Amino acid sequence: GENVEQHPSTLSVQEGDSAVIKCTYSDSASNYFPWYKQELGKGPQLIIDIRSNVGEKKDQRIAVTLNKTAKHFSLHITETQPEDSAVYFCAAGIQAGTALIFGKGTTLSVSS
Amino acid sequence: GAVVSQHPSWVICKSGTSVKIECRSLDFQATTMFWYRQFPKQSLMLMATSNEGSKATYEQGVEKDKFLINHASLTLSTLTVTSAHPEDSSFYICSASILPGRASRSSYEQYFGPGTRLTVT
Repeated sequence: GENVEQHPSTLSVQEGDSAVIKCTYSDSASNYFPWYKQELGKGPQLIIDIRSNVGEKKDQRIAVTLNKTAKHFSLHITETQPEDSAVYFCAAGIQAGTALIFGKGTTLSVSS
Repeated sequence: GAVVSQHPSWVICKSGTSVKIECRSLDFQATTMFWYRQFPKQSLMLMATSNEGSKATYEQGVEKDKFLINHASLTLSTLTVTSAHPEDSSFYICSASILPGRASRSSYEQYFGPGTRLTVT
């Protein structure tokens, strides 16, 4: 089955700096790669996703890249703000709307 | 975006009792719902996939007789933790999806609920 590895487990940055979180996956059948932000005591919220027919996607300060050959994808947050502090999870699935396998999460702390 | 609710948001029960958690898609019909559990500071682990009107598919290692899932309608799925024990204490999160092709409201089709915190004493 699918296995998703996520690094780093914790990340501390200064406000305004960039943050990068990386994930690798094992199942070449996976074609959908979402990123979720989870605040304490709440369910995960989708922040961006990418499908295997796209190499990069950007939405304001957030971007995701995908290297399907190497089976890895990354989340990039630029101009970080304290409200970006949360736990971020990457995930992989066969397609959008199907079961997801999650990475172990990255706790991002943005200090002002 | 689409909204998924869970009820209750938190529950405390005694060991040996059963607890039912509801997951509802409020403004769309969910052909598939997923149940995840999350231990403190850990990732979400998929427990089961349920399709409306059919039996749930459980992930390896998840006891189907302990975690009963019912997906009676396109807007409601329930997870019942039977004979709960302290080790069942966890954060249970559901998600609901519309099959690709039927989605008309956004670029993604899986929506997560806010989670239910279960504590078994």
